[in-house]
Amino acid sequence: ELKVEQNPLFLSMQEGKNYTIYCNYSTTSDRLYWYRQDPGKSLESLFVLLSNGAVKQEGRLMASLDTKARLSTLHITAAVHDLSATYFCAVDRSSGTYKYIFGTGTRLKVLA
Amino acid sequence: NAGVTQTPKFRILKIGQSMTLQCTQDMNHNYMYWYRQDPGMGLKLIYYSVGAGITDKGEVPNGYNVSRSTTEDFPLRLELAAPSQTSVYFCASRAGTGTGWETQYFGPGTRLLVL
Repeated sequence: ELKVEQNPLFLSMQEGKNYTIYCNYSTTSDRLYWYRQDPGKSLESLFVLLSNGAVKQEGRLMASLDTKARLSTLHITAAVHDLSATYFCAVDRSSGTYKYIFGTGTRLKVLA
Repeated sequence: NAGVTQTPKFRILKIGQSMTLQCTQDMNHNYMYWYRQDPGMGLKLIYYSVGAGITDKGEVPNGYNVSRSTTEDFPLRLELAAPSQTSVYFCASRAGTGTGWETQYFGPGTRLLVL
């Protein structure tokens, strides 16, 4: 069974701290996507990672992809309250199918 | 551009009723998707389409039907609603350039309650 697993499922952290969210997947795809969802809202695209070793950064968020380990990480640097949201990773079932499997999400709460 | 729009925003159905969730995109995207999101969970793919006239099943298609007669519209039909179909439904679209760089654009969602 194809799986996408995220951990932790819930993360409560203090402002200013660093932390990493992990996304493990079992598909053979080398395409991975990160999304953000605010409570009661839709999903917003954060990063697209298409190759082994890919690294993307936007503000306090940095995503990386290791296709050999089938692992992506989303690193949060010096967290701020505005980063509180649920973060999802998603992968192609296999490269080029454009059928996506989503992880269960990591709910991040940044405390002031 | 309005992006991806969905109607209705919220609906209560009685068991056994039917309804159609509407989805329209104005970005001329080839690919369109329907997902459901149960509370505290990720998204599960119901159906998707790679272009007008072409649709295929996702992970959880039972109890649903789709059609794609135009590039812009991708309605999702629920027949004989059941409490297990209580969920938030998201429609999404993406361009089809084949490079993989294209991300999905999501609609605002339809919250459905089946009682």
